[in-house]
Amino acid sequence: DTAVSQTPKYLVTQMGNDKSIKCEQNLGHDTMYWYKQDSKKFLKIMFSYNNKELIINETVPNRFSPKSPDKAHLNLHINSLELGDSAVYFCASSLGQGLSYEQYFGPGTRLTVT
Amino acid sequence: AQSVTQPDIHITVSEGASLELRCNYSYGATPYLFWYVQSPGQGLQLLLKYFSGDTLVQGIKGFEAEFKRSQSSFNLRKPSVHWSDAAEYFCSRGAAGNKLTFGGGTRVLVKP
Repeated sequence: DTAVSQTPKYLVTQMGNDKSIKCEQNLGHDTMYWYKQDSKKFLKIMFSYNNKELIINETVPNRFSPKSPDKAHLNLHINSLELGDSAVYFCASSLGQGLSYEQYFGPGTRLTVT
Repeated sequence: AQSVTQPDIHITVSEGASLELRCNYSYGATPYLFWYVQSPGQGLQLLLKYFSGDTLVQGIKGFEAEFKRSQSSFNLRKPSVHWSDAAEYFCSRGAAGNKLTFGGGTRVLVKP
């Protein structure tokens, strides 16, 4: 059973398009995250939600909008895609917000914008 | 702002040899430090973490790390590497809200 799953695994699209990446966790966790890993492997947090409430919102362009329909899902919608959005996007989840709670990562979604 | 630095971008080690990966963090209150491993095409997996107490922490897969406050370091070690240890390793520091700040990563290549 996959703990944290993401769909799609690969996404190739053109500049200007709008796309969504879905994340689901079956661990019963309360907190979920989105991270971006660029071509140099640099990994940076984008958002986190706890019980469907936005907790962390880093300096991410407004074109990125997370949506959490329930505790088990955190989707990432990206409007007007740009070349610089090409990256691997990782979803993660943890039991709670505290640092003692391990984050479990999904396998990633590789987004390529052409 | 808190930061994490991994000075080595690549490390090549022979199978069976020892491995040490360096990690330095910026000065701050008691840091919450982590090491993650990312195998090719996979997500990150937690190897070990340090919050307080014993400065030598044991993790999964035979890894250990030592916290040295005087050097602002949290280096990862393994006495004898296996070919399956070839991966990207990330040191990270935690902050409020379980926000992780990652170093740039160190890619480990294992020679037969």
